[in-house]
Amino acid sequence: NAGVTQTPKFQVLKTGQSMTLQCAQDMNHEYMSWYRQDPGMGLRLIHYSVGAGITDQGEVPNGYNVSRSTTEDFPLRLLSAAPSQTSVYFCASSTRLAGEQFFGPGTRLTVL
Amino acid sequence: QQQVKQSPQSLIVQKGGISIINCAYENTAFDYFPWYQQFPGKGPALLIAIRPDVSEKKEGRFTISFNKSAKQFSLHIMDSQPGDSATYFCAASRNYGGSQGNLIFGKGTKLSVKP
Repeated sequence: NAGVTQTPKFQVLKTGQSMTLQCAQDMNHEYMSWYRQDPGMGLRLIHYSVGAGITDQGEVPNGYNVSRSTTEDFPLRLLSAAPSQTSVYFCASSTRLAGEQFFGPGTRLTVL
Repeated sequence: QQQVKQSPQSLIVQKGGISIINCAYENTAFDYFPWYQQFPGKGPALLIAIRPDVSEKKEGRFTISFNKSAKQFSLHIMDSQPGDSATYFCAASRNYGGSQGNLIFGKGTKLSVKP
């Protein structure tokens, strides 16, 4: 089992560019989530999904888009990157909404 | 609105000492209180969790103490080791019963254990 995988590990964008952060899990977990981690701010939920075809907003959804076409994949899209989106992004999966979260290794994103 | 307050922000402990990290929550509907451990460059991983029907849970050198009336819970790391140096996050949620909610994380505590 690879667990939760994320690509890329590092990314630098210019303001206004778009990109997709990839996330995949091979544990057949129903629930998947995206968090961002900023110094002194902890982990904040961006979007989450309770199953294929079902997504919902978390605490900080603005500027991000998600979709869940399969159980395995949960990509996060930045439509027009802003410097405020400079952060480390973690994808997680779980068998319950607030159950044990299995986190990926993270993507460090810098927006110039 | 921060529903889980964690302190201290950073902590330095000597090897062999006790590390204590505290969290307070506001929502009395929360019924699941996990602690996550994160090493530099890695994603967080579940360390230990507790439900409010018990006041303490111990796993090896790690203990959660829970005070329901005060709406507080804490992580104690006994005989702290340099390998325990990491960032620790507390969290809370409604995980049981008919209505589940997402985990709400504290802001984290960076623990450094000096040899």
